[in-house]
Amino acid sequence: RKEVEQDPGPFNVPEGATVAFNCTYSNSASQSFFWYRQDCRKEPKLLMSVYSSGNEDGRFTAQLNRASQYISLLIRDSKLSDSATYLCVVNRWGGGNKLTFGTGTQLKVEL
Amino acid sequence: DAGVIQSPRHEVTEMGQEVTLRCKPISGHDYLFWYRQTMMRGLELLIYFNNNVPIDDSGMPEDRFSAKMPNASFSTLKIQPSEPRDSAVYFCASSLANWASNTGELFFGEGSRLTVL
Repeated sequence: RKEVEQDPGPFNVPEGATVAFNCTYSNSASQSFFWYRQDCRKEPKLLMSVYSSGNEDGRFTAQLNRASQYISLLIRDSKLSDSATYLCVVNRWGGGNKLTFGTGTQLKVEL
Repeated sequence: DAGVIQSPRHEVTEMGQEVTLRCKPISGHDYLFWYRQTMMRGLELLIYFNNNVPIDDSGMPEDRFSAKMPNASFSTLKIQPSEPRDSAVYFCASSLANWASNTGELFFGEGSRLTVL
C-alpha cells in the first residue's frame, strides 16, 4: 500500500463550482500535512499546510481527520487558473525532513 | 532572490551514457533534496542532505545513481550508466532546517527532464 494515496482524477468542473479532493495516508505516525500545487510541466509549490483544527485560505479549505487518516482540500468558486495537479504531502516525526508526496489529483476548470 | 537553480533543463542521451544533473540551492538553506517524478510513480525522494551531509539515501534506486554535495551551494546527481527506465523529471529542492516551525515548504527548482534512448 502506498504511504499517501490520492484519486488521480481528472476532475473536470465548470468555473464557479466547488470541488473537493481527498487523500489518505497509511502511517499513523504522520504528523505534518500539506497540499502542494503543480502546474503542467512546472515544479510543485506549497499551497497550504493542514492543521488539526482545519484551516482556510481564501477559497481553499483544508481538513484533517487523524482517526481516519484522511486529508481533504475544498476549493470554492473555482477559477480557470485553479487548473493544476494537487499533491497531498505528509511528514512524520522521526522521518527527518522527509516529505512523502502523493501522486496527485488533476483538476481541470472549464468555461 | 534567486530560487533553486537546476541544469540542464533538458537532456537526451543514449543508454549507457553518463548523466550529471546539477543543482544550486537557495542561499542559506541547509537541506537539499533530490526527487524524481514519473507519471506512474509520482514524486519519489531519492536522497537528501543536511549541511552537505547525506542523511537518507534509501530512495536511490541502485548503484548506478550517486549524489554529492561538495559545498553548501552545489550538488550533483549522477547516473552511470543510464538506462531508458531512468527517463523522468529530476527535481532538486531546498529548505530551511527549522522543522519546529513545520512550514513544510520545500522550494523546488524547475527540474531537469531526462530522456534516455
